[in-house]
Amino acid sequence: LAKTTQPISMDSYEGQEVNITCSHNNIATNDYITWYQQFPSQGPRFIIQGYKTKVTNEVASLFIPADRKSSTLSLPRVSLSDTAVYYCLVGFNTNAGKSTFGDGTTLTVKP
Amino acid sequence: NAGVTQTPKFRVLKTGQSMTLLCAQDMNHEYMYWYRQDPGMGLRLIHYSVGEGTTAKGEVPDGYNVSRLKKQNFLLGLESAAPSQTSVYFCASSPPTPSYEQYFGPGTRLTVT
Repeated sequence: LAKTTQPISMDSYEGQEVNITCSHNNIATNDYITWYQQFPSQGPRFIIQGYKTKVTNEVASLFIPADRKSSTLSLPRVSLSDTAVYYCLVGFNTNAGKSTFGDGTTLTVKP
Repeated sequence: NAGVTQTPKFRVLKTGQSMTLLCAQDMNHEYMYWYRQDPGMGLRLIHYSVGEGTTAKGEVPDGYNVSRLKKQNFLLGLESAAPSQTSVYFCASSPPTPSYEQYFGPGTRLTVT
């Protein structure tokens, strides 16, 4: 299984930038790195994905170093509504059963 | 476009009873998945399907069966429910692209007493 390690929890304040790092030492050549957000009583929601270097969309940025053994999700200027659990997932679709979500990082944004 | 829908939203079973959870998607996705999520924990993959008529075991398949008779539907069955199967069940689907972008349903909260 493509195993990932993330911090269990993080705290931040409104307006700050938050960086959540995921470790995936046994990432395979074909694996993509995908991040999801989950609010209580809801299913996870796709945030961003990447293969290497940097990816940015309207919600977040994803930084992936050259060795791809870790990745960092960056959330700019967080608000209270960004309080959620964030999951890092490593894998690729045609190997669907080989990846796990792990326990995620609980981000709490304070006023 | 409803996306991924799950039926029912809530269910209470007695130990030993059986039930089927239905997942439907209208995005013409090839891949579908069933996960369970216990309180305070991440999602664990139960079974998945890479196409109509095919299914495979995930991380925690024991006590569950699945069927994918139609591309848009993925059924999860519990033949003899146990209290350990009390959980929230999420269905997801994804297109056949190399990346791992999955679209999730709203979940089914199952309690087995």
